[in-house]
Formats: sequence, structure tokens, C-alpha cells
Amino acid sequence: GAVVSQHPSWVICKSGTSVKIECRSLDFQATTMFWYRQFPKQSLMLMATSNEGSKATYEQGVEKDKFLINHASLTLSTLTVTSAHPEDSSFYICSARPFTTYEQYFGPGTRLTVT
Amino acid sequence: KQEVTQIPAALSVPEGENLVLNCSFTDSAIYNLQWFRQDPGKGLTSLLLIQSSQREQTSGRLNASLDKSSGRSTLYIAASQPGDSATYLCAVGGRTETSYDKVIFGPGTSLSVIP
Repeated sequence: GAVVSQHPSWVICKSGTSVKIECRSLDFQATTMFWYRQFPKQSLMLMATSNEGSKATYEQGVEKDKFLINHASLTLSTLTVTSAHPEDSSFYICSARPFTTYEQYFGPGTRLTVT
Repeated sequence: KQEVTQIPAALSVPEGENLVLNCSFTDSAIYNLQWFRQDPGKGLTSLLLIQSSQREQTSGRLNASLDKSSGRSTLYIAASQPGDSATYLCAVGGRTETSYDKVIFGPGTSLSVIP
């Protein structure tokens, strides 16, 4: 149980275009979903926290107009990277937290390359 | 503000050795602590989760301990194998002033087990 999926697993896009990444909790409902970013040879950094039906809370230094987060249901959150640039190339990982625990379950990640 | 550090940053050992990875955190008011493994270019594999009320968890050759009062956790790997080579991440879950719950990752320890 407690499986989280991400789609796509990897994506290449051209500079200036937008990319949407989906995060789904497959066998549980998630009160809260989280989005992390990992640059090469660095650890994971929290970008934002989203609660179903409300606006996401962004960490300091993360541009909310560039990284649009939508948490429309208890099993789906999406991250849209708008007007992507090569410096946005990174590994994006989501996690989901069920109602009944503080444990977060992590997705497999999405590797974004912007050319 | 919670800060998580890991020592050493990198470790190279011959196959068969027992080894200890260290994780320290500055705020002892945590919900849980989790150890992950990450292979190059891949997502996270959860190894062990220790709730704040627990002292240790074991899974196979892995044993993780938690000392909340001193802000420390150790991951013990017995009889290391080349397949254990990966980056090991420590992640601390807790509450912050601005977020109901938040996971902070350490920078990781890169382990190389030499055959």
C-alpha cells in the first residue's frame, strides 16, 4: 500500500514552453502533497506544500508564478513549470501524506531537461 | 529552523565491513526520522522510518537508531555489499511555524562498497 506515482518519469522540452507533472496517490487519499526539487549532486529541497482545495504554500525563494501547483482532488496534484528555462532542469519529486499519519510517501520522480 | 547534517559526506569501504552513517538535526521536536537510499539518477527508496516515540528500527542488515534529545540518528549497515553502494539520505519530519508538517532532508552520504 501507500503508492505514489508520477507522470511523466522524464521529459525534455524547449526553452520557453510549459511542462506539467502529475503526482497521484494510488491507494490512499492525501491530505497534503509536497513538491521537491533536486539539482545534480545536491539533496532534495522542498518547493511547496499543497492541501486539497486550497492554495499551495511556497518555500522562500520559489517563484509561485513560475511553478504552478494545483491540488484539485485528494489523489492528484500537478506541478506546472511555466516558461521553462535550462536552469529549471532538475529532478522533481512529489510526496503525499495520508490523513492518518505524518509519514510522507514519495513518488519515483520526474527528470526535466530544458534545452 | 530545522537543519539536518550528515557525516561523512562520502565513505568508501571494502566489502564485508560494518559501517555507521550519522545524521544530526537541530530541533528535537520531530514527528519522525526516515532513512532513504538513492541510486544515481533514480528516485528515493525508503529504508527505515522511526517514529518520534521509538528508539530504533531494524530491517535485515540495516539498523537505525534515534536519540531525539541529542538530535542524532545513526544508520548501521552490517556486512556491507557492493550493491549497497548509493547515496543515503536522512530526512526529518516535523512541524514549523509556517507549515503544519515539513520534511527536511540532509545532504546525504555517498557510500561506495569496494568488492
